[in-house]
Amino acid sequence: QSVLTQPPSASGTPGQRVTISCSGSRSNIGGNTVTWYQQVPGTAPKLLIFNTHRRPSGVPDRFSGSKSGTSASLAISGLQSEDEGDYYCSAWDDSLNGPVFGGGTKLTVL
Amino acid sequence: QITLKESGPPLVKPTQTLTMTCAFSGFSLTPAGVAVAWIRQPPGKALEWLGTIYWDNDKNYSPSVKSRLTITKDPSNTQVRLTMTNLDPLDTATYFCAYATIHNSSSWYVHYWGQGSLVNVS
Repeated sequence: QSVLTQPPSASGTPGQRVTISCSGSRSNIGGNTVTWYQQVPGTAPKLLIFNTHRRPSGVPDRFSGSKSGTSASLAISGLQSEDEGDYYCSAWDDSLNGPVFGGGTKLTVL
Repeated sequence: QITLKESGPPLVKPTQTLTMTCAFSGFSLTPAGVAVAWIRQPPGKALEWLGTIYWDNDKNYSPSVKSRLTITKDPSNTQVRLTMTNLDPLDTATYFCAYATIHNSSSWYVHYWGQGSLVNVS
């Protein structure tokens, strides 16, 4: 059972906008920044969004992050087939004194 | 270019000890805020943080493995070691080491991940 809650799956057609949610608590998302990772099956995760809404160089601006209270969201606009994969949210947890992860959301591009 | 690579045995028997090494390059584990973390992923399941070693040699561990886990860094500051005792089949997972940074205790994230190393406990 992961500390952060994500929907197990999401889907969309090419060009659509998809949103993935991540729910936590005051000890993690509520008080700290959120990170999103993308993982293509069989490979290591890749940093997608850090500090809640910032993108590393090389990540397209189709990806955006936001947070409200104890929940966060990842939005992907202009969905492309190469966006298929698993997406994980993460945040520092003050109670754990370490990072926590969501259970992951499998994104399918129909 | 930042790289990390995990190495360790692919198969470990229950109750035995797992020792894995993370060899990294392209960054230094000396500046404030820099860390190397160990994160694992059981087959088909989510990521789970195990522990972190920081630039100042401070360490913290997940409560789920704290009694069994030790993370150390070598004096050359180019390798980090994970030692986990009393392994169980539930510890079967791909083990990743990762370059992370922490800022103001509220922003912690992994910049780069190793390719991962699958460990089967059986």
